[in-house]
Amino acid sequence: GENVEQHPSTLSVQEGDSAVIKCTYSDSASNYFPWYKQELGKGPQLIIDIRSNVGEKKDQRIAVTLNKTAKHFSLHITETQPEDSAVYFCAAPRGGSSASKIIFGSGTRLSIRP
Amino acid sequence: DTEVTQTPKHLVMGMTNKKSLKCEQHMGHRAMYWYKQKAKKPPELMFVYSYEKLSINESVPSRFSPECPNSSLLNLHLHALQPEDSALYLCASSQGAPLGSYEQYFGPGTRLTVT
Repeated sequence: GENVEQHPSTLSVQEGDSAVIKCTYSDSASNYFPWYKQELGKGPQLIIDIRSNVGEKKDQRIAVTLNKTAKHFSLHITETQPEDSAVYFCAAPRGGSSASKIIFGSGTRLSIRP
Repeated sequence: DTEVTQTPKHLVMGMTNKKSLKCEQHMGHRAMYWYKQKAKKPPELMFVYSYEKLSINESVPSRFSPECPNSSLLNLHLHALQPEDSALYLCASSQGAPLGSYEQYFGPGTRLTVT
């Protein structure tokens, strides 16, 4: 089955700087990689995702890159703002390409210093 | 509208109580999910309903009983829970097969405390 490892577990960056969170996965059949943001007291919110047929996807200050050969994908947040402070989870399908079951990484607690 | 609603927000129950968690979505999604999330941990899948039928049970103890009365509603019935079942219970939905949209949308969760 799929295994997803996420690093770092905590990340503190100065407001305005960039933040990068990395995940590796084990199942080469996995073809969908979402990123979720979870603020305190709320459920996870899908912020961006990427499918295995592209290498990069951007949405304003957020981008995700995928390296299928190395089996890793990364979340990039540029020009960080205080509201970016949250826990971020990467995820991948469990059981290869099954869309119903996703397994989450262990999470990264991102803090933005003013 | 990508909203999934859950009630109640908080629930405290004794080990002999019976209670239910409710989840609702009006996005026309045909797949609905229950997750359990312990503090400082990622969500863990419990159940998946696809077209109102239970398709995945992740070996969850029988004291948790899911129900999908219709395509918009998902319930989780709780009975004889243990203190270690205290957690945030999250509901999610997705478009579901055969349309194949993978995006899962989560509700705010129910914070459950078992005393």
